[in-house]
Amino acid sequence: EDQVTQSPEALRLQEGESSSLNCSYTVSGLRGLFWYRQDPGKGPEFLFTLYSAGEEKEKERLKATLTKKESFLHITAPKPEDSATYLCAVITGTASKLTFGTGTRLQVTL
Amino acid sequence: ETGVTQTPRHLVMGMTNKKSLKCEQHLGHNAMYWYKQSAKKPLELMFVYSLEERVENNSVPSRFSPECPNSSHLFLHLHTLQPEDSALYLCASSQRLNVNYGYTFGSGTRLTVV
Repeated sequence: EDQVTQSPEALRLQEGESSSLNCSYTVSGLRGLFWYRQDPGKGPEFLFTLYSAGEEKEKERLKATLTKKESFLHITAPKPEDSATYLCAVITGTASKLTFGTGTRLQVTL
Repeated sequence: ETGVTQTPRHLVMGMTNKKSLKCEQHLGHNAMYWYKQSAKKPLELMFVYSLEERVENNSVPSRFSPECPNSSHLFLHLHTLQPEDSALYLCASSQRLNVNYGYTFGSGTRLTVV
């Protein structure tokens, strides 16, 4: 059975304190990995798609990387507006659905 | 209006009520999905529709009944729900059934069953 595990469950950072979120996966035949951001009371918002080990993508203070077993979302010098839950999801099999992790709840304080 | 729109945003219903959730997408996508999001659990896929045909039903109880009258609209009809069905129900769409194209999510309906 495909599994996606995200850690830590929650993370509290001070503004400017860089850190990384982890998404490890055990799947048969990874076809791609998504990162989403979800604000309270809203649906997930797309951030990145990664398709192969070694691939990296960046957007503002966020950088996503992918290896054969895990993905990292690096947050450089975060700001309070980066506070949200970050979800990781993988595409497997027939690529008709995503399997999600439980998310990392990030809080950035002044 | 653009994107994926869900109504209502919040719903409180009794266990004997019948209600419906609505989802509308303005993106020209061909595939639509219902997901359930409960606290501290991963998003759970409920139903998948491609060009108005149901292609997946993930062992969802019959008290949840989906309907897709056209490729822009998706409904979830609810009846005789249980308190454990309280959750955030998310609708999503993708350009094609192959999710390499990515999902666009709506803001969800927060459902409380009393």
